[in-house]
Amino acid sequence: GAVVSQHPSRVICKSGTSVKIECRSLDFQATTMFWYRQFPKQSLMLMATSNEGSKATYEQGVEKDKFLINHASLTLSTLTVTSAHPEDSSFYICSAREGTGTEAFFGQGTRLTVV
Amino acid sequence: AQRVTQPEKLLSVFKGAPVELKCNYSYSGSPELFWYVQYSRQRLQLLLRHISRESIKGFTADLNKGETSFHLKKPFAQEEDSAMYYCAPEAPYSGGSNYKLTFGKGTLLTVNP
Repeated sequence: GAVVSQHPSRVICKSGTSVKIECRSLDFQATTMFWYRQFPKQSLMLMATSNEGSKATYEQGVEKDKFLINHASLTLSTLTVTSAHPEDSSFYICSAREGTGTEAFFGQGTRLTVV
Repeated sequence: AQRVTQPEKLLSVFKGAPVELKCNYSYSGSPELFWYVQYSRQRLQLLLRHISRESIKGFTADLNKGETSFHLKKPFAQEEDSAMYYCAPEAPYSGGSNYKLTFGKGTLLTVNP
């Protein structure tokens, strides 16, 4: 299957700093990318959906100024956690797909720890 | 409100027994439905999708629009089926021109020898 690479896989940052997470589709053009957050032993919570060249659509309760999403090309989307706080510590997962109804391929996830 | 429900958080069966993982949805329109699986220490991957009506690894899922259900079934479970299973409806947003993929809470299936 297609490959989605997420980087970094693990990051520790100080409270108040910003962290950028990259999500790349390596062998296909991702028209749509999704960003999820997963708390321990819980399901994936959709944070936002981004379509290439458009502004991301955020789910209710997700602060767009805190979680900046950029999807400037068909192979790259980034999630920037701005002014991170310990409560932002979590597992963030991206997925990408070519279009509606097609298979979504997932990154390996990023473990963010804010200290 | 749009909602997907997987009522069983944990499901344990013996090898060779039938297994059914339940999924009910409450979405407007006719969402496309998927089952995703996550094996231990691996990333999420597609198991099957409603539209293709195919059987993967012996699993099938029938869409029942009357009951708004999309239960996942396998007649004879194997130990390697032990994993976390997520029901995932695809729902429109932005006036129906785009679709987002959301996930149920998941069911952890354990197949015992």
